[in-house]
Amino acid sequence: DSGVTQTPKHLITATGQRVTLRCSPRSGDLSVYWYQQSLDQGLQFLIQYYNGEERAKGNILERFSAQQFPDLHSELNLSSLELGDSALYFCASSPAYRGREQFFGPGTRLTVL
Amino acid sequence: DAKTTQPPSMDCAEGRAANLPCNHSTISGNEYVYWYRQIHSQGPQYIIHGLKNNETNEMASLIITEDRKSSTLILPHATLRDTAVYYCIVDSSNTGKLIFGQGTTLQVKP
Repeated sequence: DSGVTQTPKHLITATGQRVTLRCSPRSGDLSVYWYQQSLDQGLQFLIQYYNGEERAKGNILERFSAQQFPDLHSELNLSSLELGDSALYFCASSPAYRGREQFFGPGTRLTVL
Repeated sequence: DAKTTQPPSMDCAEGRAANLPCNHSTISGNEYVYWYRQIHSQGPQYIIHGLKNNETNEMASLIITEDRKSSTLILPHATLRDTAVYYCIVDSSNTGKLIFGQGTTLQVKP
């Protein structure tokens, strides 16, 4: 158990819909990272927040957005969902903004039908 | 970020040492080498990282060549639970974003 929690574990929805994935980092960790893992793209970095502010952006689509709240939990919002958005979405946390050791959550499996 | 090259798959006998190689010939002086592993769709797990010197922790050892163009992750006594995809990552960013490649699928066999 990494100490990072993600909800929900599974999510099934339809194309065009919007969903919110939630992540609670380890106690005391200020950085939160989001990654997407699909069969054809592998593990891809999406975005990082540090203490409420966006720090780094990867291959995140404009239909996706994220935020980190004052209590440090983070949400990843995915809208206008397409079949290709079906993937495992992982959240990770680390104490510092340059996370040498990141602790990953168990992931949310999103299926878009 | 420097690119890494890893063999797609390797086998190892249970109880033996698993040596996983990684080439990073374009690595620059301030880039760290990280190793993570992912066991069957679970979240990736940090193993070890290093810059120049060899490193050891309770999970593994990391051997970095003197020219830093390659490294080897060593699992000293592999168990069946070490069966996973192992990722070698080189990073110099000011943040912690990790760029994962395809990794090496290590199969530990009884």
